Amino acid sequence: EAGVVQSPRYKIIEKKQPVAFWCNPISGHNTLYWYRQNLGQGPELLIRYENEEAVDDSQLPKDRFSAERLKGVDSTLKIQPAELGDSAVYLCASSLFGTGFTGELFFGEGSRLTVL
Amino acid sequence: SQQGEEDPQALSIQEGENATMNCSYKTSINNLQWYRQNSGRGLVHLILIRSNEREKHSGRLRVTLDTSKKSSSLLITASRAADTASYFCATDAEGNNRLAFGKGNQVVVIP
Repeated sequence: EAGVVQSPRYKIIEKKQPVAFWCNPISGHNTLYWYRQNLGQGPELLIRYENEEAVDDSQLPKDRFSAERLKGVDSTLKIQPAELGDSAVYLCASSLFGTGFTGELFFGEGSRLTVL
Repeated sequence: SQQGEEDPQALSIQEGENATMNCSYKTSINNLQWYRQNSGRGLVHLILIRSNEREKHSGRLRVTLDTSKKSSSLLITASRAADTASYFCATDAEGNNRLAFGKGNQVVVIP
């Protein structure tokens, strides 16, 4: 069975440019997460979806970040415009479990963003 | 912050030795999880321990949880070069439904 698939793996852009990341979770996993991981740090949650509903987006910088999961399967995270401080690895994860129990998360390989 | 704090943050050991890492957190939890991350890769789940459990084993891994001290430890026995990675604890706080990760322990196993 395929794991969590993310693309692109690497992206280099100039500041003020837009960028988008795509994630396809494990089949049957209703809960999808986007995390950001800065160098030498642990992942920080940006947004959590249960099916197509964003149930926790309190840490998403909504002035420049947006996300969608229209059909409750794959998801896109967008940054517009990108800033130098957005350089990080963007990790997508999925889980069988939803509200009430946070079980094992399955992570993709991540999308490494460099903003010049 | 609910994030776990791992200790030590960096550990270098010889192959065959045991590696022990600690994690402390601040509020009541439903469960605590440990993940491994190889350089440039995503995180891989290792083990989950619930708040009503005190110890759990999985292969060469042993995890303990002390809710009174709000701390957990991860022991890797008979370490191998392939165990070289960063190890993160993550806590699921009560009433939060958000898995919060610590900064991680970097473990280097020297062949």
